[in-house]
Amino acid sequence: QKEVEQNSGPLSVPEGAIASLNCTYSDRGSQSFFWYRQYSGKSPELIMFIYSNGDKEDGRFTAQLNKASQYVSLLIRDSQPSDSATYLCAVRDSGAGSYQLTFGKGTKLSVIP
Amino acid sequence: DAGITQSPRHKVTETGTPVTLRCHQTENHRYMYWYRQDPGHGLRLIHYSYGVKDTDKGEVSDGYSVSRSKTEDFLLTLESATSSQTSVYFCATKGAADTEAFFGQGTRLTVV
Repeated sequence: QKEVEQNSGPLSVPEGAIASLNCTYSDRGSQSFFWYRQYSGKSPELIMFIYSNGDKEDGRFTAQLNKASQYVSLLIRDSQPSDSATYLCAVRDSGAGSYQLTFGKGTKLSVIP
Repeated sequence: DAGITQSPRHKVTETGTPVTLRCHQTENHRYMYWYRQDPGHGLRLIHYSYGVKDTDKGEVSDGYSVSRSKTEDFLLTLESATSSQTSVYFCATKGAADTEAFFGQGTRLTVV
């Protein structure tokens, strides 16, 4: 059973601070990693994806990947109250013909004004 | 937004009745998925499709069946609904294997 683990939180940060969200995965062959944001009662929406080791930046968001440690993280700089949501880490399963994404249970982030 | 429509958006049904949820996409995406989302469990894959008439089971497929007769439609059927199938169901699509999945708005199903 392939697993994706996230700290369920809630993670509370003050407005303007950096929020750090972490995810570990069990499938060593995984190649593609995704971060989704889900507001309460809404569907998940993609924030970022990352395929290569290192950092990938997009505006206030930075995704970090370390395949050797099987670890992926999302940093949110200058956190805003509108960033308050549940963040889902997703990993594409490895293997020939595999098309599935396995999701973590999500980390709930609360940004305090 | 990706053109993914789920219907119905809300449904209450009785134990033992059959229920069909529909996912319709206008993106011509090859891959389609049904997930359920429950507190404490996150998103769990029920079934998925990698083409017309090509489907396979996911992590929690017991009690569910699917059909895909056209690229744009993916149906999820609960043959005989049980209270344990009360959940929020999400449909998702992907255009290629190594791309992100786009989600529909979700269907809240309550089995009483």
